[in-house]
Amino acid sequence: SQTIHQWPATLVQPVGSPLSLECTVEGTSNPNLYWYRQAAGRGLQLLFYSVGIGQISSEVPQNLSASRPQDRQFILSSKKLLLSDSGFYLCAYSAGTGGAYEQYFGPGTRLTVT
Amino acid sequence: AQSVAQPEDQVNVAEGNPLTVKCTYSVSGNPYLFWYVQYPNRGLQFLLKYITGDNLVKGSYGFEAEFNKSQTSFHLKKPSALVSDSALYFCAVRKGAAGNKLTFGGGTRVLVKP
Repeated sequence: SQTIHQWPATLVQPVGSPLSLECTVEGTSNPNLYWYRQAAGRGLQLLFYSVGIGQISSEVPQNLSASRPQDRQFILSSKKLLLSDSGFYLCAYSAGTGGAYEQYFGPGTRLTVT
Repeated sequence: AQSVAQPEDQVNVAEGNPLTVKCTYSVSGNPYLFWYVQYPNRGLQFLLKYITGDNLVKGSYGFEAEFNKSQTSFHLKKPSALVSDSALYFCAVRKGAAGNKLTFGGGTRVLVKP
């Protein structure tokens, strides 16, 4: 069965510090991978998605970047955090082929920038 | 552009009563529709999807959804609500083939009272 992991679960970082959030998927090959941010416990904003190793598409311009160094690893980074980067970050995956279409989400990382 | 709307910010229902969470969609072409549930400080959990076929879709935890093409709706239903169904519910629509992205509604908070 497929599993998706995210770490850390919570993070408190000062403004201007770097960020690295990691997401890994088990039990599936060549998944599509996604990073979302959820503010104030409501709407989801798609930040990045990837259809393969090294292939990153950005949905909104911002202070963040993403990388996919391995097939089932997705990393969200920032060189200098802003207060507005605080939020709940969710990683998700979907099958790259086969017509399943639905996305499966990790447990999330709560980021507080102080 | 593909979009979904959840007209209710919150739904209150007594335990044992039927639960309905509303969702309307706007798409070009055939809609691929999804429902997710989110418990506090957790990732989203996939409940069910409509791709094609029977208009009544059955999903996890006793939930079902009815696809109505003429009313462009995809309402989530449960015949008898439980207190443990209290959570945030999201409707989503597939945004397009590229990257299998989803567009989410704003979410509806469900409160089931004992």
